[in-house]
Amino acid sequence: EVQLLESGGDLIQPGGSLRLSCAASGIAFSSCAMGWVRQAPARGLEWVSVISASGGNTYYADSVKGRFTISRDNSKNTLYLQLNSLRAEDTAVYYCARTYSGYNYFDYWGQGTLVTVSS
Amino acid sequence: DIQMTQSPSSVSASVGDRVTITCRASQGVSSYLAWYQQRPGKAPKLLIYAASSLQSEVPSRFSGSGSGTEFTLTISSLQPEDFATYYCQQAKSFPRTFGGGTKVEIK
Repeated sequence: EVQLLESGGDLIQPGGSLRLSCAASGIAFSSCAMGWVRQAPARGLEWVSVISASGGNTYYADSVKGRFTISRDNSKNTLYLQLNSLRAEDTAVYYCARTYSGYNYFDYWGQGTLVTVSS
Repeated sequence: DIQMTQSPSSVSASVGDRVTITCRASQGVSSYLAWYQQRPGKAPKLLIYAASSLQSEVPSRFSGSGSGTEFTLTISSLQPEDFATYYCQQAKSFPRTFGGGTKVEIK
């Protein structure tokens, strides 16, 4: 059974930093490109970032470029998202997901972790 | 960035109804399009990829069509578990982008 378990969500002040983690099991993690999608409260889905299986290629949404960094540790089957210079508009549930057909789609999703940016 | 526009934003329907949702791209995305279903409080679920390919274990009442800039998701006979919000997503270029969602509600 595929499991993606996010953690690290918290209440953080504007300008602060946070690191999200996603522990994967039931998949050949080191062979899978992975990504993050977020959803602000009562809003739609927003694509955030993806990373190649090796970690050598990364892509970001314009809204987070330069502030967020996606990375992975294949020895730990874990995906990360470093969030810096946080803003109120970054408040959202952050989902970890496995990509399908290259970087194109997301076929397995975690349950999400909530990041709240507020003073 | 490619903008994805869904219509309608919400639709009321009854069990057994046929429901069609439209997604339009601001520029051509060929067949690089997916549809997701999201039930309240749950993670999204991939239904359709490559515009018309049914994801494994997704019921055959779901179907997708279209290419270029206009796409449709059709639910042929709405079931109680289908009341949810549906999103399209383009995969033609980075950054990937989602539509705003269509909420399917019980009439």
